[in-house]
Amino acid sequence: TQLLEQSPQFLSIQEGENLTVYCNSSSVFSSLQWYRQEPGEGPVLLVTVVTGGEVKKLKRLTFQFGDARKDSSLHITAAQPGDTGLYLCAGANTGNQFYFGTGTSLTVIP
Amino acid sequence: DAGVIQSPRHEVTEMGQEVTLRCKPISGHDYLFWYRQTMMRGLELLIYFNNNVPIDDSGMPEDRFSAKMPNASFSTLKIQPSEPRDSAVYFCASSLGTGFGYTFGSGTRLTVV
Repeated sequence: TQLLEQSPQFLSIQEGENLTVYCNSSSVFSSLQWYRQEPGEGPVLLVTVVTGGEVKKLKRLTFQFGDARKDSSLHITAAQPGDTGLYLCAGANTGNQFYFGTGTSLTVIP
Repeated sequence: DAGVIQSPRHEVTEMGQEVTLRCKPISGHDYLFWYRQTMMRGLELLIYFNNNVPIDDSGMPEDRFSAKMPNASFSTLKIQPSEPRDSAVYFCASSLGTGFGYTFGSGTRLTVV
């Protein structure tokens, strides 16, 4: 099992604030994905990053893959209540088997 | 496409009973995964299939758990006999292939009393 630790575990912020969520591992991954999960539903894929140092933007969300492909971050600008959910990172080393992180539960207060 | 379809959405059963969870993956997806999610352990991979063949079942907790994929459009996860510690949300996911994202179903919330 490839351990991916996410921090913080819980985050509660006011609407309009910025935040960063981290995903760290001692393992090297060939690719890394970020998912968002809302209560009562399955995780939904947000982005896939494959190259060390890669940065991808999805509206107010910015994803970065570490140069060594062992870590990643998710930055949200001007958070909105609709961003509330559980954010999960998932890393793959070989094949199509992704290992999921411990998750960050985000609450954005209106 | 309707996405990954799981049934039932909720299941409450008594300890010792057999439980069968069902999944219909997205058509054309060659990979199917079964995950279990709990507050304590997060998302755990139980087993995954490629082209209906089980590839890695090392995550299956014990012999009480079994999974089958008789064809490309259907898979089951069976627990027999069920125990209270099996209570969790069970997710099925499918994928096109290596490096592609997973599409998850809405999950089955299992409660064993």
